[in-house]
Amino acid sequence: AQRVTQPEKLLSVFKGAPVELKCNYSYSGSPELFWYVQYSRQRLQLLLRHISRESIKGFTADLNKGETSFHLKKPFAQEEDSAMYYCALISGGTSYGKLTFGQGTILTVHP
Amino acid sequence: KAGVTQTPRYLIKTRGQQVTLSCSPISGHRSVSWYQQTPGQGLQFLFEYFSETQRNKGNFPGRFSGRQFSNSRSEMNVSTLELGDSALYLCASSLRAGSNYGYTFGSGTRLTVV
Repeated sequence: AQRVTQPEKLLSVFKGAPVELKCNYSYSGSPELFWYVQYSRQRLQLLLRHISRESIKGFTADLNKGETSFHLKKPFAQEEDSAMYYCALISGGTSYGKLTFGQGTILTVHP
Repeated sequence: KAGVTQTPRYLIKTRGQQVTLSCSPISGHRSVSWYQQTPGQGLQFLFEYFSETQRNKGNFPGRFSGRQFSNSRSEMNVSTLELGDSALYLCASSLRAGSNYGYTFGSGTRLTVV
């Protein structure tokens, strides 16, 4: 069975500081991983996906299969980054998969 | 283009009743998934539909069911409601099932069972 673990429920940093939100996964197949973000009073939205190796809003995430991790990083945090962040894994390969979410990390960026 | 639309936004039901939630996916999206979000359990997968067929199901009792119509719109039904069914129910759509393009979520339906 697949599992996604986000060890930090809360994370606080100051504006301009680097931030790293941790995500570890367990899955026997080849994972497809995502980061979703939920800003206050807004819907859950896709931030980035590992397959595209993109940088969105300054955030990047690298899949480390050896450590089974997919940590989200940003070199200089901004106040508008304050939100709930979810790491998610899609299982089933090319089948009809389901998203398995971590419990989420609330990021607060202080001025 | 319009996003994923869920109706109604809020519902209050009594234990033992049944409820139907509706989801309209983004135009052109053929996959619709449903999730339950609670403070204790977080986001949990209910089921996914593609081309009117249920393709995957989570670990929920048979009281939770769904269907998808030919226009890709989906409904979720919960029968014999229990207090523990109180949650935010989210619908997500994607171009295809099991998509690595990611899923676009709706705002959810907040169900309260009293």
